[in-house]
Amino acid sequence: GEDVEQSLFLSVREGDSSVINCTYTDSSSTYLYWYKQEPGAGLQLLTYIFSNMDMKQDQRLTVLLNKKDKHLSLRIADTQTGDSAIYFCAEGTSKIIFGSGTRLSIRP
Amino acid sequence: DADVTQTPRNRITKTGKRIMLECSQTKGHDRMYWYRQDPGLGLRLIYYSFDVKDINKGEISDGYSVSRQAQAKFSLSLESAIPNQTALYFCATSDLGTNPNEQFFGPGTRLTVL
Repeated sequence: GEDVEQSLFLSVREGDSSVINCTYTDSSSTYLYWYKQEPGAGLQLLTYIFSNMDMKQDQRLTVLLNKKDKHLSLRIADTQTGDSAIYFCAEGTSKIIFGSGTRLSIRP
Repeated sequence: DADVTQTPRNRITKTGKRIMLECSQTKGHDRMYWYRQDPGLGLRLIYYSFDVKDINKGEISDGYSVSRQAQAKFSLSLESAIPNQTALYFCATSDLGTNPNEQFFGPGTRLTVL
């Protein structure tokens, strides 16, 4: 069945770039997503990329998609303390499959 | 007011008890979902409903049942709770036919089964 995998933890220094990686199995998904979960809250859509694109930039966020390798990444430039959260990679069209989430922590 | 609400927000119960978690939405969305979140396992889909007369099992439906009482309400029941159902439960909604299929999440219900 469909599967989405990502590492569980990432620690970066404040001001550096964060790169969160994800691999997925279902190549038929029309969209791939990044959701953000802040402490004590539900998930919120952060950004998404259409499957026929290989890059999308939105302010400090850059999404890269390598369809051949089924690899998705999220880069956060100039990481701030407010970026501390769990980031979920997800894929799917009508039904969404979520990864395990990567907990991003920021060091001073 | 929140668009997707869940009640209760926290619940502690004992093994064998019947529990109902409720979800309401004011977004007017047709599609509703129940997920559970466990550390290191991400979100796993329990049940989903694409309209009032449509109920579908997700990947981990055993031990759970659902009821879609109206377009705006989708409840999750644990008929006989067991400790490994201790988790954070999320309800979500999405709109039929929109692209991308953005899901809107409630704040979650933390359930502890002793």
